[in-house]
Amino acid sequence: ETGVTQSPTHLIKTRGQQVTLRCSSQSGHNTVSWYQQALGQGPQFIFQYYREEENGRGNFPPRFSGLQFPNYSSELNVNALELDDSALYLCASSHGGDSTGELFFGEGSRLTVL
Amino acid sequence: GENVEQHPSTLSVQEGDSAVIKCTYSDSASNYFPWYKQELGKRPQLIIDIRSNVGEKKDQRIAVTLNKTAKHFSLHITETQPEDSAVYFCAARNSGTYKYIFGTGTRLKVLA
Repeated sequence: ETGVTQSPTHLIKTRGQQVTLRCSSQSGHNTVSWYQQALGQGPQFIFQYYREEENGRGNFPPRFSGLQFPNYSSELNVNALELDDSALYLCASSHGGDSTGELFFGEGSRLTVL
Repeated sequence: GENVEQHPSTLSVQEGDSAVIKCTYSDSASNYFPWYKQELGKRPQLIIDIRSNVGEKKDQRIAVTLNKTAKHFSLHITETQPEDSAVYFCAARNSGTYKYIFGTGTRLKVLA
């Protein structure tokens, strides 16, 4: 059974640029959630995808968008990057049929915006 | 809005002592409460969880208690070891929603 994998692990961008982060869900999981973890803070929910559709969104602006593919992998896109977007972006997969929806996290993509 | 408060933000204990981390949630519809351990540069990993129909759950040196009336839940680690040093996050989830609300984390240091 493969775990959640994310790429890239680290990246540096400048203000105004766009970034795409990628996530492969754990085998057997059909739901992917994205979280933003600023330094010294807990993860903040961005959105969740289930069966290729967004089915929940946190308090993030529209320049944060995502996709889920038929194999349940996912992308997080952020446009017009701002300095405050610097953070660890965590992808978590879960099984939609599990009542607890236990999250299995990837190692994260650390984004630095200069 | 939905919120989870976590205390303390840092905690230092001597090896072998106990550690307690407390969280308070605001959404009374929350019914699932996991605890995650995150080591430096690593992913958060689930260490224990509790559902709202249970008041206490124990797994070896780790236990979690839940007080639904007060909307409090706590993590208890006994006989702490240096490898317990990490950041611990509590979270709350409403089964009718899709998102977890995380606390701000507790950095636990176990001193040898």
